[in-house]
Amino acid sequence: DAKTTQPTSMDCAEGRAANLPCNHSTISGNEYVYWYRQIHSQGPQYIIHGLKNNETNEMASLIITEDRKSSTLILPHATLRDTAVYYCIVRVKYGGATNKLIFGTGTLLAVQP
Amino acid sequence: NAGVTQTPKFRVLKTGQSMTLLCAQDMNHEYMYWYRQDPGMGLRLIHYSVGEGTTAKGEVPDGYNVSRLKKQNFLLGLESAAPSQTSVYFCASSRHTGGLSSYEQYFGPGTRLTVT
Repeated sequence: DAKTTQPTSMDCAEGRAANLPCNHSTISGNEYVYWYRQIHSQGPQYIIHGLKNNETNEMASLIITEDRKSSTLILPHATLRDTAVYYCIVRVKYGGATNKLIFGTGTLLAVQP
Repeated sequence: NAGVTQTPKFRVLKTGQSMTLLCAQDMNHEYMYWYRQDPGMGLRLIHYSVGEGTTAKGEVPDGYNVSRLKKQNFLLGLESAAPSQTSVYFCASSRHTGGLSSYEQYFGPGTRLTVT
């Protein structure tokens, strides 16, 4: 699986867009970029995933560069409840039986009032 | 649509006691997983199931047993609890296609277990 690099922490003002970067320069052609987050004391939450096109859902947007070596998760209007650790994970879309997710250290996003 | 639910939310056990953690999902997912999360260790897979009536070991299965008698439920049992099993336990589920599991895993809220 490709390795990902994320900043350790970021701040964002409430109501502003939060842009979380992720580098994955060794990504393979069949690997997707997945984003999860974990709010303190809660289970990880799936946010979004994409292959090469930009994706948007009710939670966030995912922008993947044309060379696919990096991506940015965008929370358009951050709220205090978006304070969490955000994980960028690169995997193929479907995996074998031991299909465990490998969470790195992620980015701690602190939304400030 | 409740997603993935776990009971209980908190539990304190004494060494040697037994207990069962229950995970339920209403998304008709084939795959279910039990993870534990410890400080500085990330998530580690304990056991998983690829369908009703099937279970398999993950990376840290010792001291735990599981059962998947119904598609929507996945039970994690501790037969004789040890302090090393103090952790936060998360259940997750995912859909599959062609026998392979999606990496869109949906997690429950967790069970915080303390073994004294």
